[in-house]
Amino acid sequence: QLQLQESGPGLVKPSETLSLTCTVSGGSISSSSYYWGWIRQPPGKGLEWIGSLYYSGNTYYNPSLKSRVTISVDTSKNQFSLRLSSVTAADTAVYYCARHVGADIAVEFDFWGQGTLVTVSS
Amino acid sequence: QSALTQEASVSGTVGQKVTLSCTGNSNNIGSYAVGWYQQISHGAPKTVMFGNSLPSGIPDRFSGSKSGTTASLTISGLQPEDEADYYCSTWDYSLSARVFGGGTKLTVL
Repeated sequence: QLQLQESGPGLVKPSETLSLTCTVSGGSISSSSYYWGWIRQPPGKGLEWIGSLYYSGNTYYNPSLKSRVTISVDTSKNQFSLRLSSVTAADTAVYYCARHVGADIAVEFDFWGQGTLVTVSS
Repeated sequence: QSALTQEASVSGTVGQKVTLSCTGNSNNIGSYAVGWYQQISHGAPKTVMFGNSLPSGIPDRFSGSKSGTTASLTISGLQPEDEADYYCSTWDYSLSARVFGGGTKLTVL
């Protein structure tokens, strides 16, 4: 069974860079069959797509976050990562990683990680 | 303001059939398949439908459909464990972004 696990600091200072990693087990991130994505959920609010990537490095980002976001892949570790720069309190959220159901950015997610809360505060 | 519009809340009794809706436009729902995600007590989302496909392990009382720019998730034979927040999502080619609805809180009375 595929599993995704987010990891990274739970507290980030304003103006600094948030960095998270998603470790994939039970499947290969190098599979040509899937895109992989990051989604976040501020406390008490709905879901927001951050961006997604293919194992080859091809990426798509939410236009509202594009200037601050970088998603990258490390196939040797079966991981993909999120970096969000110049964070503010508005970036406080639970961050989820997930797998798309196919090798197409337009298809839905099927598997999700359990999520990790990141708080932006000094 | 979400790109996709969902009811804020829906309620039903055990055994009842309920339908949740998700309304978009020709740039999103009108052009792409829709996914539905269940979130129980602020836990991790769980996919209950993508397109017309039921993920493994999801009971067949869940079904999805789409007509024009509106997608629907129907739960036939509502169970207490179905009480959750439900989000719809799809791709929007004009925004070049994946968009989500604001979520529907389903209460089982």
